[in-house]
Amino acid sequence: DAGITQSPRHKVTETGTPVTLRCHQTENHRYMYWYRQDPGHGLRLIHYSYGVKDTDKGEVSDGYSVSRSKTEDFLLTLESATSSQTSVYFCATQGQGVYEQYFGPGTRLTVT
Amino acid sequence: SQQGEEDPQALSIQEGENATMNCSYKTSINNLQWYRQNSGRGLVHLILIRSNEREKHSGRLRVTLDTSKKSSSLLITASRAADTASYFCATDEIQGAQKLVFGQGTRLTINP
Repeated sequence: DAGITQSPRHKVTETGTPVTLRCHQTENHRYMYWYRQDPGHGLRLIHYSYGVKDTDKGEVSDGYSVSRSKTEDFLLTLESATSSQTSVYFCATQGQGVYEQYFGPGTRLTVT
Repeated sequence: SQQGEEDPQALSIQEGENATMNCSYKTSINNLQWYRQNSGRGLVHLILIRSNEREKHSGRLRVTLDTSKKSSSLLITASRAADTASYFCATDEIQGAQKLVFGQGTRLTINP
C-alpha cells in the first residue's frame, strides 16, 4: 500500500454536516489524489495535488475542497454533506517520474 | 468524462482457464495501465504499457495495445482462485499526464 493510510475508514454522517477525510503517506510522493468509487461509474477523480499547497480540480470536484499543508497529508473536505456524496473514497499517491499510482484502503462514507 | 470502457463488465471462468478483458478509450494517450481491486480493498497496479509499445508481459499477464483502434486487452493465463477481483484500465491523456482516467472495470470470478 506504499505506506498510505486513510482515516476514518468508515463514517456515517447526516446531511448538511461538514466532513473531513484524511490521507497520510510515508513515501514522500509528490502527487496525491482523491477519487470516489460508485457502482456503475468506476473511479472518478475529485481533486489532486502536485505539491504542498498546489492543488487542482478533477472531474467531480463540486461540493468538495482539499488542502495539502504537508507533503504527507492530503485532506478532503465536504463542506455540507449531501446524500449524493455517499460513496467509497480512495486516496492515491504517485512518485515523481513514475506513472503508477498507489492506493489507500478507502473510506466508506454514508450520508443519511 | 470516462475515458476507458471495459468489456465485458463481468466474466466467470473455471480455474486454469485464460481470462481476457478489453478496454477501449477515446483520446490520445501516453500510457495505459491495468489495476486490480480485490473486494473491499484499494486498487493495485499490475502493468503499464506505453503508447509506443504493442505488447507487454509480466508473469501470467499479457497486455496488448492498439493505438489505431484505441483499445487494449489484458490476458491472464492459467487463472487461479486468487485472481478473482475487479480489473480496471486507466489512461493518462497527453495534456494531463499526471491524471488518470479509469474505466468502469471488469468483475472477474474464477470458479474452483
